[in-house]
Amino acid sequence: GQNIDQPTEMTATEGAIVQINCTYQTSGFNGLFWYQQHAGEAPTFLSYNVLDGLEEKGRFSSFLSRSKGYSYLLLKELQMKDSASYLCAVRYTSGTYKYIFGTGTRLKVLA
Amino acid sequence: DGGITQSPKYLFRKEGQNVTLSCEQNLNHDAMYWYRQDPGQGLRLIYYSQIVNDFQKGDIAEGYSVSREKKESFPLTVTSAQKNPTAFYLCASSILWNEQFFGPGTRLTVL
Repeated sequence: GQNIDQPTEMTATEGAIVQINCTYQTSGFNGLFWYQQHAGEAPTFLSYNVLDGLEEKGRFSSFLSRSKGYSYLLLKELQMKDSASYLCAVRYTSGTYKYIFGTGTRLKVLA
Repeated sequence: DGGITQSPKYLFRKEGQNVTLSCEQNLNHDAMYWYRQDPGQGLRLIYYSQIVNDFQKGDIAEGYSVSREKKESFPLTVTSAQKNPTAFYLCASSILWNEQFFGPGTRLTVL
């Protein structure tokens, strides 16, 4: 199958840096997305990686290693409002496209 | 202001009833998607549509039906054949298989 693995929960302190990992099956890989979802709300798009390396967007960065089937989302200068679930989603292709979401990592930011 | 809307926000259904969830977008996106989210699980794809008058089953289509008569609209009907319909339903749209824009969701509860 095309499983996406993420830690279930993480806790960090305001102002700190946190790294949320995501591993996936590499066969058919065609791109990786990160979304943020606050409790009871819709996911919102954070970042997209299709080539190896780091993509930086303000306090958020996302890294991809296609050969290892590995990505991480790095959040710097954590704020209380960053408390949310972070969803890793992989786009696969094998004739047609398919999107698989991980179960999400619930991040708690403590004062 | 472009966006994607869903209604209602909360919906209660008696067993044996069909209910229809609305999804409308004015982002001019060709592709639209319906997901179901249950606690502790990732988003699971119910149906998707890449173009008007065409749609495809996702991973968990049984007990659901959709239509795509207009580009802007992609309603989802939860039929009485769906055995466990209580969940959070999310509609999304995108430029084909790129980052997805989600509506605010509909929380369906079966009484």
